Amino acid sequence: DGGITQSPKYLFRKEGQNVTLSCEQNLNHDAMYWYRQDPGQGLRLIYYSQIVNDFQKGDIAEGYSVSREKKESFPLTVTSAQKNPTAFYLCASRSGNTIYFGEGSWLTVV
Amino acid sequence: QKEVEQNSGPLSVPEGAIASLNCTYSDRGSQSFFWYRQYSGKSPELIMSIYSNGDKEDGRFTAQLNKASQYVSLLIRDSQPSDSATYLCAAGSSGTYKYIFGTGTRLKVLA
Repeated sequence: DGGITQSPKYLFRKEGQNVTLSCEQNLNHDAMYWYRQDPGQGLRLIYYSQIVNDFQKGDIAEGYSVSREKKESFPLTVTSAQKNPTAFYLCASRSGNTIYFGEGSWLTVV
Repeated sequence: QKEVEQNSGPLSVPEGAIASLNCTYSDRGSQSFFWYRQYSGKSPELIMSIYSNGDKEDGRFTAQLNKASQYVSLLIRDSQPSDSATYLCAAGSSGTYKYIFGTGTRLKVLA
């Protein structure tokens, strides 16, 4: 089945660690996005990529990094520089003007 | 700062009633508008998209757009308890394919 797969669904990070969230899509979409959602808040854009080997910072890129080496894959690394990383992370891809979301990854700092 | 504003709610309606959800946006260049439903702990699910002024109907859902007033709404007819969720409004910025989301309105449909 076509879709957007995020893994892991739940992740715990120790202080000072980098962690990478995986996002894979088999929808043949060119554009992919990473959003962060905090309780009671809207989605905030971290990074987006319109095409392979190209990506742009969103509104809250500090402390995060991405790569887009393949059309299907857009992994997000949460670095130790991100001071408050506990949140729900959503990967999305775009078809036409519409974006569709994966199931999300919960990241908790312990 | 481009924004999308929504009343956080909760909006409580009895089962079978019409639920009316509203959203305003600040970027006059926005061309596309979306309503997503998000159940607690889950990812957003697309309900409706709308691009032109007026109404767009899909089953029990009607989206309304008024670009002059920078206003988008979602009507849910014959509301069901399963409609209880947070509804996110989003606006697509013209030319950049960036999407601005509101904080969502929590809807509670009372059985």
